[in-house]
Amino acid sequence: QVQLHESGPRLVKPSETLSLTCTVSGGSISSYYWSWIRQPPGKGLEWIGYIHYSGTTKYNPSLKSRVTISADTSKNQFSLKLTSVTAADTAVFYCARTNMVRGASLDFWGQGTLVTVSS
Amino acid sequence: QSALTQPASVSGSPGQSITISCTGTSSDVGAYNFVSWYQQHPGKVPKLIIYDVSNRPSGVSNRFSASKSGNTASLTISGLQADDEADYYCSSYATTSTRGLIIGGGTKLTV
Repeated sequence: QVQLHESGPRLVKPSETLSLTCTVSGGSISSYYWSWIRQPPGKGLEWIGYIHYSGTTKYNPSLKSRVTISADTSKNQFSLKLTSVTAADTAVFYCARTNMVRGASLDFWGQGTLVTVSS
Repeated sequence: QSALTQPASVSGSPGQSITISCTGTSSDVGAYNFVSWYQQHPGKVPKLIIYDVSNRPSGVSNRFSASKSGNTASLTISGLQADDEADYYCSSYATTSTRGLIIGGGTKLTV
């Protein structure tokens, strides 16, 4: 069973860079695509972007200028960097496996981590 | 890319059936049969319940069914149960230059 776990600072100051890592166990990231999704408190889900282990990435156009997703196959991890954060970036951040064989469905999710942007 | 359009809320009584719509464009929902649906209980992680428009992952109740017509996808829950009360999100692969995912605004189901 694939398991994902998000880690990283829970509090980030405005204008700084939010950095999160997703560690995958029970399967290799050297297959499938891997996504980041966020959910502001009380609001809906927003897809941030995904990465393939080969390095191919796609980002949500609304965040593209501030987002970088990378992967480290040696550690079976992939990471998110979101620059110039504001309070509007406060959200629960999820990582998820993106199954392109099944219509780009997000079939395994991490537990999510709440990141608060505040001084 | 704008979010897919879902009703903010729907409601039904135990045993009844409800349908949640998800409207996109010819660049996403209407482009391929790559529509998924997720169930999220309060404070919990979203769970995949439908992929490829109408397929259920193993372990998902057959009370959940889905379809698509043109640019609109639909999720139907039959024989409503109290535990079905949750938020439901649709998503679609998009054929815009981004070629990524687009997610609906979510629908709160009250049973």
